[in-house]
Amino acid sequence: EAQVTQNPRYLITVTGKKLTVTCSQNMNHEYMSWYRQDPGLGLRQIYYSMNVEVTDKGDVPEGYKVSRKEKRNFPLILESPSPNQTSLYFCASRSSSYEQYFGPGTRLTVT
Amino acid sequence: GESVGLHLPTLSVQEGDNSIINCAYSNSASDYFIWYKQESGKGPQFIIDIRSNMDKRQGQRVTVLLNKTVKHLSLQIAATQPGDSAVYFCAETANFGNEKLTFGTGTRLTIIP
Repeated sequence: EAQVTQNPRYLITVTGKKLTVTCSQNMNHEYMSWYRQDPGLGLRQIYYSMNVEVTDKGDVPEGYKVSRKEKRNFPLILESPSPNQTSLYFCASRSSSYEQYFGPGTRLTVT
Repeated sequence: GESVGLHLPTLSVQEGDNSIINCAYSNSASDYFIWYKQESGKGPQFIIDIRSNMDKRQGQRVTVLLNKTVKHLSLQIAATQPGDSAVYFCAETANFGNEKLTFGTGTRLTIIP
């Protein structure tokens, strides 16, 4: 089954404790993105990648890092999480068309 | 910066009726537009897209209309069903092929049985 998986689905952590949210797709897609979704603000793009080793900032990259060492994986790294990064995070991938496939989401709470 | 917005945050429609969800955008350079559907507890799902060189595109029960003069986009859903209840987002990019997408805040569509 074609899908985008994210782990963990839920995470509660404390300020400053480094964390990684994994994202993996099994569709051999070149393009992958990370978004955060907050009430009243919709989806905002954090980082995107157009292929292996090619990443670029989206609209809200501050406080996040990404890497794209393999085509299928695109982890999101929070080196020192803060409460304002409490949000619902989505990973997405697509091929050459714009039909993006989104993962199920990761709900992160930073206390 | 440029923004993509929606006229109405909520919309209730009787089952079987048609629904229209609107989206206004402010970037005159926007080149490509996409509608997504997000059901509760799930990630967004692609519905339909349209390039700026078109003013109408139809899919299965859905039609997207683009009015570049007034920078307005709409999604029409025909013969709504309970499964259409969701939040609908429009998104745009100023350069087709560019990975940067800007999303609207969403409209919640509720289908009344």
